[in-house]
Amino acid sequence: GENVEQHPSTLSVQEGDSAVIKCTYSDSASNYFPWYKQELGKGPQLIIDIRSNVGEKKDQRIAVTLNKTAKHFSLHITETQPEDSAVYFCAASMGGADGLTFGKGTHLIIQP
Amino acid sequence: KAGVTQTPRYLIKTRGQQVTLSCSPISGHRSVSWYQQTPGQGLQFLFEYFSETQRNKGNFPGRFSGRQFSNSRSEMNVSTLELGDSALYLCASSLRSLAGNTGELFFGEGSRLTVL
Repeated sequence: GENVEQHPSTLSVQEGDSAVIKCTYSDSASNYFPWYKQELGKGPQLIIDIRSNVGEKKDQRIAVTLNKTAKHFSLHITETQPEDSAVYFCAASMGGADGLTFGKGTHLIIQP
Repeated sequence: KAGVTQTPRYLIKTRGQQVTLSCSPISGHRSVSWYQQTPGQGLQFLFEYFSETQRNKGNFPGRFSGRQFSNSRSEMNVSTLELGDSALYLCASSLRSLAGNTGELFFGEGSRLTVL
């Protein structure tokens, strides 16, 4: 089955700096790559996603890039703010009825 | 629009008991998925239901089961509880259809199960 590796497990950045979280996947058939943000005591919430026919997608301060050849994708957050502090999960899916395979998560800490 | 509702939010059981967790999806969502979240293993897919049929199942033992009702509400059951079943159980609903396109998952806040 699919395997998703996520790095780093913890990332601390100064407020206003950029943060980058990287994920690799194992199954070349995967074609959907969402990123979820989980705040303390809440369920994960989708923040951005990308499909395999696109190399990059942006939404304000958040962007995701996908390299299908290398089977890795990354989340970029620019101008980080205190409310960006949370656990971020990447995931991969082959679409259809297959469930998402999640990475182990990255605890992002924004230092004031 | 109400979000995904999970009940109970917290529960404590002892080894060998069974537990049933409930999930009410967002109105209009026919797909319900269940995930187990633990500090060591992260988020792991349990199963997905669509129109009362289990469409996909993760790599969990048969002690974990689920069902979906005609109103799309779902329940999951864990029998013969083990200490390792202690986890946050998350339910997610989506607009996914038989057409096969993966859609956004909307998660509930979870049911935290502690097995003593």
